[in-house]
Amino acid sequence: GAGVSQTPSNKVTEKGKYVELRCDPISGHTALYWYRQSLGQGPEFLIYFQGTGAADDSGLPNDRFFAVRPEGSVSTLKIQRTERGDSAVYLCASSLRTGAYTGELFFGEGSRLTVL
Amino acid sequence: AQRVTQPEKLLSVFKGAPVELKCNYSYSGSPELFWYVQYSRQRLQLLLRHISRESIKGFTADLNKGETSFHLKKPFAQEEDSAMYYCALSGNTGNQFYFGTGTSLTVIP
Repeated sequence: GAGVSQTPSNKVTEKGKYVELRCDPISGHTALYWYRQSLGQGPEFLIYFQGTGAADDSGLPNDRFFAVRPEGSVSTLKIQRTERGDSAVYLCASSLRTGAYTGELFFGEGSRLTVL
Repeated sequence: AQRVTQPEKLLSVFKGAPVELKCNYSYSGSPELFWYVQYSRQRLQLLLRHISRESIKGFTADLNKGETSFHLKKPFAQEEDSAMYYCALSGNTGNQFYFGTGTSLTVIP
């Protein structure tokens, strides 16, 4: 498809388990963002990639969270030892950002994570 | 620090009435301001950005640096405007987008 694709759309896991969430951005978009959205809140920034490198990971809440983008396209958000507080919708967005210009963010539909 | 504040979580207006969704921001430097919208069962999408100075679907927003505000306005609300609206800010480096908590707009027929 032409849009940002996220899988799985829903994930239910048990506390303490490991989870991976995948994002396939729009082809050619160099910038990729991960956000977390809890109920009743706006999207909360987690990490930003420009190409393969994490240009800004200051939003990751702790070292249980990690994200990669090895080939500058698909990204995976990894959560270790999940906790109930990690339950949220995880949003991915991509943009055709060049230099300091902030391009429009195109969002995926999100991955809803529920930790029991 | 809260960088984007949307004071109204819920807002209801009648069809044809004017609507204003408030947004205030806190940021040193020259931010870019945006409004994003999420219609029911759809993904979050850009509505407008301040540098474009466009009117999209009848909505406009003016950046007021003195009041650090970027309120979204429409003179005559339509039922199809019912949605969740998020004000967002991009900082100097553009690395981060800060979103407000959102305002749920309901347009009553």
